[in-house]
Amino acid sequence: ETGVTQSPTHLIKTRGQQVTLRCSSQSGHNTVSWYQQALGQGPQFIFQYYREEENGRGNFPPRFSGLQFPNYSSELNVNALELDDSALYLCASSLFGSEMNTEAFFGQGTRLTVV
Amino acid sequence: RKEVEQDPGPFNVPEGATVAFNCTYSNSASQSFFWYRQDCRKEPKLLMSVYSSGNEDGRFTAQLNRASQYISLLIRDSKLSDSATYLCVVEGGSYIPTFGRGTSLIVHP
Repeated sequence: ETGVTQSPTHLIKTRGQQVTLRCSSQSGHNTVSWYQQALGQGPQFIFQYYREEENGRGNFPPRFSGLQFPNYSSELNVNALELDDSALYLCASSLFGSEMNTEAFFGQGTRLTVV
Repeated sequence: RKEVEQDPGPFNVPEGATVAFNCTYSNSASQSFFWYRQDCRKEPKLLMSVYSSGNEDGRFTAQLNRASQYISLLIRDSKLSDSATYLCVVEGGSYIPTFGRGTSLIVHP
């Protein structure tokens, strides 16, 4: 067990709807990264949050947004869902310091199906 | 050209075999390199970091070739439990990791 928990584990949404996914980071970690993993592909980086600020963003449209809370937990919000948004959404927590970033631990993911 | 490229496989090998995977990366400024293992329908887990001098952990050996911009993973004496997808990860200076699509390994009796 990594201590990173995601909810819900599975979700079915209709095209055009909005969804919020949640991630509780491992104790002592201050950074959360979100990834989208389509079937048969590697995880694609969506964005990273460090101390409640976005710290980097991948090639995803603005309808993908996020938050990090003072306790370092995080949310991923996706608006106007499209069929291609169907994927496994992973969050990973790590401890980011001035010169290094520790190993990232992944949660078990949320499997989103858009119909 | 993709930032991180891997042969998706599958690599189908018998127990006890030695198997090697390569992963190429396009950003010459990349600083950190890792191999992750992902079992079917599970989250990725760190297998090992890859250091410039190469490193070994039991049956697993990882190497980095900066000149040719690739990293490799060698698995000796394959076990059935090694069957999984192996993901190559490359980080640039901003600590944003880029994953390859993974290489599937199937070890059969």
